[in-house]
Amino acid sequence: NAGVTQTPKFQVLKTGQSMTLQCAQDMNHEYMSWYRQDPGMGLRLIHYSVGAGITDQGEVPNGYNVSRSTTEDFPLRLLSAAPSQTSVYFCASPTGLAKNIQYFGAGTRLSVL
Amino acid sequence: TQLLEQSPQFLSIQEGENLTVYCNSSSVFSSLQWYRQEPGEGPVLLVTVVTGGEVKKLKRLTFQFGDARKDSSLHITAAQPGDTGLYLCAGDTTGANNLFFGTGTRLTVIP
Repeated sequence: NAGVTQTPKFQVLKTGQSMTLQCAQDMNHEYMSWYRQDPGMGLRLIHYSVGAGITDQGEVPNGYNVSRSTTEDFPLRLLSAAPSQTSVYFCASPTGLAKNIQYFGAGTRLSVL
Repeated sequence: TQLLEQSPQFLSIQEGENLTVYCNSSSVFSSLQWYRQEPGEGPVLLVTVVTGGEVKKLKRLTFQFGDARKDSSLHITAAQPGDTGLYLCAGDTTGANNLFFGTGTRLTVIP
């Protein structure tokens, strides 16, 4: 998980609350991504960014917002948390010639009650 | 829709045994990756295969990419307790930001 830092590691929210999951990378990578991991579902892409000021939707973007004001940071926002958003969230930063070498953070375990 | 199916979902074996994990799809991938994930951690990349029929070895782990680039396998020889973890395959269809992950195989190696 070297180079990708996620905070917090654990979070409990009530339905309707908002919060921001932080992700920072110190590898000067252009690409950053957010995934969620649910039992039996594998990891699914939420949003991604190909550089500062540029973001796009992944497979499951509903209920999440992102922004990329700097190369280093890629926060994920939940504006009104729902129990269906209970999951483990991973930030990743791909690199390599084909952008197929993924570095993952340690994850944020979120529970929405 | 699950693009990548992994089997088996769970595997519990004795130390020293061999095992194979499969990753299958009806889609063609430009590359396929294998990760290992330990509890409380993010996935860690083990290998990337890009050529149909390619075989890569990483110590006791052998990875193979199918000729048609739709499937892959991971073979572990003489499994050790340190191999315990969740093994994930991930296929890349149009670039790194469109990685599709399999459901994972949870391996337990009993000493």
